[in-house]
Amino acid sequence: NAGVTQTPKFQVLKTGQSMTLQCAQDMNHEYMSWYRQDPGMGLRLIHYSVGAGITDQGEVPNGYNVSRSTTEDFPLRLLSAAPSQTSVYFCASSPGTGGWSNQPQHFGDGTRLSIL
Amino acid sequence: AQTVTQSQPEMSVQEAETVTLSCTYDTSESDYYLFWYKQPPSRQMILVIRQEAYKQQNATENRFSVNFQKAAKSFSLKISDSQLGDAAMYFCAYRNSNFGNEKLTFGTGTRLTIIP
Repeated sequence: NAGVTQTPKFQVLKTGQSMTLQCAQDMNHEYMSWYRQDPGMGLRLIHYSVGAGITDQGEVPNGYNVSRSTTEDFPLRLLSAAPSQTSVYFCASSPGTGGWSNQPQHFGDGTRLSIL
Repeated sequence: AQTVTQSQPEMSVQEAETVTLSCTYDTSESDYYLFWYKQPPSRQMILVIRQEAYKQQNATENRFSVNFQKAAKSFSLKISDSQLGDAAMYFCAYRNSNFGNEKLTFGTGTRLTIIP
């Protein structure tokens, strides 16, 4: 039972480079999201999706793009990497729509990204 | 917007003793969910315990229990019989109960050290 899988686990980029962080889940969850974790600031929501074809911005969306073409995958794209995007990135999923749901989000193991 | 505050950046406790981690939150909603997540050095985000706001009874999971004070908007985590494996960052998180809204708002975390 894989759960939420993130790749890569570590990445170093140069300023201005682009890259895609991959996230896949095998639980047929409707809701998926991306968070970034910075020291002393907890996790902050970047983008989220309530289902295939539907995405929306979170708290800190600038510099990031997302798309959701399938239920399983929710990639996060950095268009032009900046040092301020150095962080640990987490993908999460949960069952999503369906009324009252206390189902927690399942998190991937994170991607540590360094921008030089 | 909802906010979550963890006022204790670091805590320590002797092995086998009890420790309480504090969390307060601000919301205008009457129904919501609260969570405690554990993040060990492996970086995984592990759900420890969850509480539905409409339930008056405090949630318990083995050695972990919460003190949920809705009027005071307080949600503390008590760890009994502390073990070395409990050493981690602990994050308090809030989520609305609105249909389809599963965004989590996190506190800044408390680093718990267990003293052998």
